[in-house]
This record gives sequence, C-alpha cells and structure tokens, in this order.
Amino acid sequence: SAVISQKPSRDICQRGTSLTIQCQVDSQVTMMFWYRQQPGQSLTLIATANQGSEATYESGFVIDKFPISRPNLTFSTLTVSNMSPEDSSIYLCSVLAKNIQYFGAGTRLSVL
Amino acid sequence: DAKTTQPTSMDCAEGRAANLPCNHSTISGNEYVYWYRQIHSQGPQYIIHGLKNNETNEMASLIITEDRKSSTLILPHATLRDTAVYYCIVRVGESGGSNYKLTFGKGTLLTVNP
Repeated sequence: SAVISQKPSRDICQRGTSLTIQCQVDSQVTMMFWYRQQPGQSLTLIATANQGSEATYESGFVIDKFPISRPNLTFSTLTVSNMSPEDSSIYLCSVLAKNIQYFGAGTRLSVL
Repeated sequence: DAKTTQPTSMDCAEGRAANLPCNHSTISGNEYVYWYRQIHSQGPQYIIHGLKNNETNEMASLIITEDRKSSTLILPHATLRDTAVYYCIVRVGESGGSNYKLTFGKGTLLTVNP
C-alpha cells in the first residue's frame, strides 16, 4: 500500500487569496491525482499529475485556477488560486500504486 | 465511460452480511470493477477489485455476474464501523496508461444498525 500525507488538514481562508496543498507519499509513484469533494457530494477528478510532464486537467478545471506541481515521484502540490466561497470543499490527493489508487485524508478548505 | 448504478442507501443489521449491488451494463471486456468506501470525514478506502472472476480478501467478497453487467460486494459480518458510503467504479483505461481514470459516482450509503 501507499501512505499519503496531506498538509494542511484544514484551513480557513479569505476570498481572493490562494492556498497551496501539499501531498507527500511514502513510495515512488508515477501517477498522482487531485480530487475535489464539495459538501455532500461525491469526488470529482481535478487533474492527473505525472512526474516530468504537465498535469492533465478534467473538463471544468483550468491550470490558472488550480496550478499543480509534480517535482519528483513522491511529492505534488495543488494551489487553489483567487479563492471564492464556492471553492469551499475537501481536496484529496491520490496515488496509483500496483493497480490500486490510494487516497489521503484530504484538506478541508473553507473560504469566507 | 462505463457508468454504474447503485442504490442510494441500504440498511443492515450488525453481524449480518451486507450485500451491496451495482449495475454496470455498459462495461467493456477489459474494464475492471473497483469498490471503495468512504467513512465520514475520511478519504476513500480501497476494498477490492475484479475483472470477471469472483474475488475475496480480508475485507470483503466481490461477485461478478457471468455477463459482467452487474456485481455485488459482500461484507460477511457487518459491524457498526462499516457504516460508510460505498462506491462501485468501473476503471477506464489500463493501469498507469494515458487514459487511465477512476471516476466516482454517488455511491450507496450503508448504515449498519445495532
């Protein structure tokens, strides 16, 4: 299995600011993913981040709003830019290891 | 993408088997079925996956029909800690491939009652 650590676990932010979420995994993985879970909803894939290439974004998500870095095989960041209250969600990091996707505990973001 | 259909909610008595159904009638021949669960305020937890044969691990059993159009996740002896949302997902693309994707639907809220 893969153990994923996300930081911060939660935050309260002011509108118009940006927050960078960090994801650290305890083993080297090729594929990492970022999901969003809005209140009372299921998970929605934001983007797939492979080391050494640009992240691939899903429909409805753009790089200017959710820039992603993937500097090595164990680490990734997701930035939520120019936040509005509609960005209040749980953001989850996930990795693919041996045909199984593992998830972090998530970052609970509230935007005021 | 193959879509899945699950009941919105189910109840189960503690100690009894919980049988969670999933329909995936448009599944393709090489697409796997994955099950995850999400306990309140936690990240999703992998349970089991399969292609066409029945599978069993320490958490659950997965029964896939011969035509692969539906499956059932079985928790043999449900406990209160099994209360969670259970997601049935058809994996798109080869693992690690360029079109690989795991798309979550609404899932089934399983409530285990004492």
